[in-house]
Amino acid sequence: KQEVTQIPAALSVPEGENLVLNCSFTDSAIYNLQWFRQDPGKGLTSLLLIQSSQREQTSGRLNASLDKSSGRSTLYIAASQPGDSATYLCAAEFTSGGGADGLTFGKGTHLIIQP
Amino acid sequence: DAGVTQSPTHLIKTRGQHVTLRCSPISGHKSVSWYQQVLGQGPQFIFQYYEKEERGRGNFPDRFSARQFPNYSSELNVNALLLGDSALYLCASSLQRESSDEQFFGPGTRLTVL
Repeated sequence: KQEVTQIPAALSVPEGENLVLNCSFTDSAIYNLQWFRQDPGKGLTSLLLIQSSQREQTSGRLNASLDKSSGRSTLYIAASQPGDSATYLCAAEFTSGGGADGLTFGKGTHLIIQP
Repeated sequence: DAGVTQSPTHLIKTRGQHVTLRCSPISGHKSVSWYQQVLGQGPQFIFQYYEKEERGRGNFPDRFSARQFPNYSSELNVNALLLGDSALYLCASSLQRESSDEQFFGPGTRLTVL
């Protein structure tokens, strides 16, 4: 069974720090890996999508990397701000489902940025 | 352009009832997927539809069904509701399902079963 795991489950850092969120997946055969942000009680906001042929993607202060061979992805947030406080979810689309198994999500990392 | 929209926002039902949730994808998107998210967990895949055909189904009982309409909007139906069906139901749309596309999620419908 393919699984996605996120560590840590929760993280609290002072404003201005750079931080890294970790995501691991059990099967390197993926179509893509996507990072999302979720505010309490809300839907998911797509942050970055990394295709299986790519190594990283950047958007503003966010950088996501992908290492399929080790089954890992990281989300790097530079110069964190209180508005970055949210739950961050990573999700992989495994190829074993032929594109019909949807995204497999981790449980998320709950991030708090202290002003 | 409007994002993915879902209705209703919140819903309260009692055990044994049925419920219909609705989703409108981003304009031009032909694929819709449904996910269930219980508190403290990541979303779990329920269904994927593309061009009105079911393309994938997650590990959910037959009480769950869905369909996609010619305008690419979608409905998720749940029969014989159980307390454990209480969750945030999320709809996601993507451009197509012939390749690996970015999925965009709606705000969700919060279902409470009493």
